[in-house]
Amino acid sequence: IAGITQAPTSQILAAGRRMTLRCTQDMRHNAMYWYRQDLGLGLRLIHYSNTAGTTGKGEVPDGYSVSRANTDDFPLTLASAVPSQTSVYFCASSPGVGPYEQYFGPGTRLTVT
Amino acid sequence: AQSVTQLDSQVPVFEEAPVELRCNYSSSVSVYLFWYVQYPNQGLQLLLKYLSGSTLVKGINGFEAEFNKSQTSFHLRKPSVHISDTAEYFCAVNAGGTSYGKLTFGQGTILTVHP
Repeated sequence: IAGITQAPTSQILAAGRRMTLRCTQDMRHNAMYWYRQDLGLGLRLIHYSNTAGTTGKGEVPDGYSVSRANTDDFPLTLASAVPSQTSVYFCASSPGVGPYEQYFGPGTRLTVT
Repeated sequence: AQSVTQLDSQVPVFEEAPVELRCNYSSSVSVYLFWYVQYPNQGLQLLLKYLSGSTLVKGINGFEAEFNKSQTSFHLRKPSVHISDTAEYFCAVNAGGTSYGKLTFGQGTILTVHP
């Protein structure tokens, strides 16, 4: 079944540790996105990539970095985790830049202690 | 800049009753509007979208929404809800200009359907 996979499903991480959240899509979509979901705040865009080889900053990029070496993969890295990064992280993709639906992965629940 | 406001954080309703979840947006350019649903411990799933044309949009699971440009609203409705509709619902806008292609989400509305 085509779609987006994320790993890990959940993780407990000590503050100060480095962590990479993985995201892979098999729909050959050009655009990919990372969001964090916090209660009462909805989903907020962290970083995005309009096409392989390019990335951009979203609404809340501080403390996060991304790379887009190929079409399918879009990892999100927390260089030195802090408790405020405790959240549920969703990866999404869309065919391109435009009025397209975004397709979401199942999410990664991250707790930073 | 674009923004979305969902006017109700929680909506309790009895089974088979009608429901309306309210969404207002602000944008200085033309918009594309979406409603997503999130069931517990799952990702988001598209319910419906407005891109252009008819202002009344029908989606999955019997939901519909009406785009009202003058009131900058995109309210979601269902004439008769089921227990299985219990979930969190998100309104989102994709506007033109520098934000083109990116979604801005509202804060979410938790719909709880009681038997």
